[in-house]
Amino acid sequence: DGGITQSPKYLFRKEGQNVTLSCEQNLNHDAMYWYRQDPGQGLRLIYYSQIVNDFQKGDIAEGYSVSREKKESFPLTVTSAQKNPTAFYLCASRQGTGWDQPQHFGDGTRLSIL
Amino acid sequence: KNEVEQSPQNLTAQEGEFITINCSYSVGISALHWLQQHPGGGIVSLFMLSSGKKKHGRLIATINIQEKHSSLHITASHPRDSAVYICAVSPGGGADGLTFGKGTHLIIQP
Repeated sequence: DGGITQSPKYLFRKEGQNVTLSCEQNLNHDAMYWYRQDPGQGLRLIYYSQIVNDFQKGDIAEGYSVSREKKESFPLTVTSAQKNPTAFYLCASRQGTGWDQPQHFGDGTRLSIL
Repeated sequence: KNEVEQSPQNLTAQEGEFITINCSYSVGISALHWLQQHPGGGIVSLFMLSSGKKKHGRLIATINIQEKHSSLHITASHPRDSAVYICAVSPGGGADGLTFGKGTHLIIQP
């Protein structure tokens, strides 16, 4: 079955360490997205990519970095510059970039900084 | 930047009741999405609509573009409908990514 795979489901890291969250999709979707969810808040856009080797900052990109070397993969690195990285991270994708295509979501990665 | 407001934030109802969740937004959009998030965190897309009304099983979504308002209705609610329901909007004008409401936490008691 096609879908989006995020790994790992839970991730623990020490303060000051960079950590990379994986997102892979086999839907052949063009666009991919990273969102962050904090308790009591709506999801917020971190980065998105509409095509391989290109990506754009979202509303809260500071302290994060991404790459899009392959169509199916869009890893997110949480750097030590991110002041409050403990959160739930969701990856999404959609076919094309037109407004009429829904986004498909992964199951998320819960990151905790010790 | 679009502001998306949902109401109520929390809703507890008895099995069989008719449920309504509301969503309003501040700036014109290309589409509005209703999403369902279960306790594990994964999100499922329920509806995407840009006008009128859509129905899927016991779920109905409506949107009024002029009033910048949408509603999600659940008929004959069941405990398995218990989840967080999230409204999100797609921007117009070539921008990408969704803007989300904070969600409505729905509990259906047997």
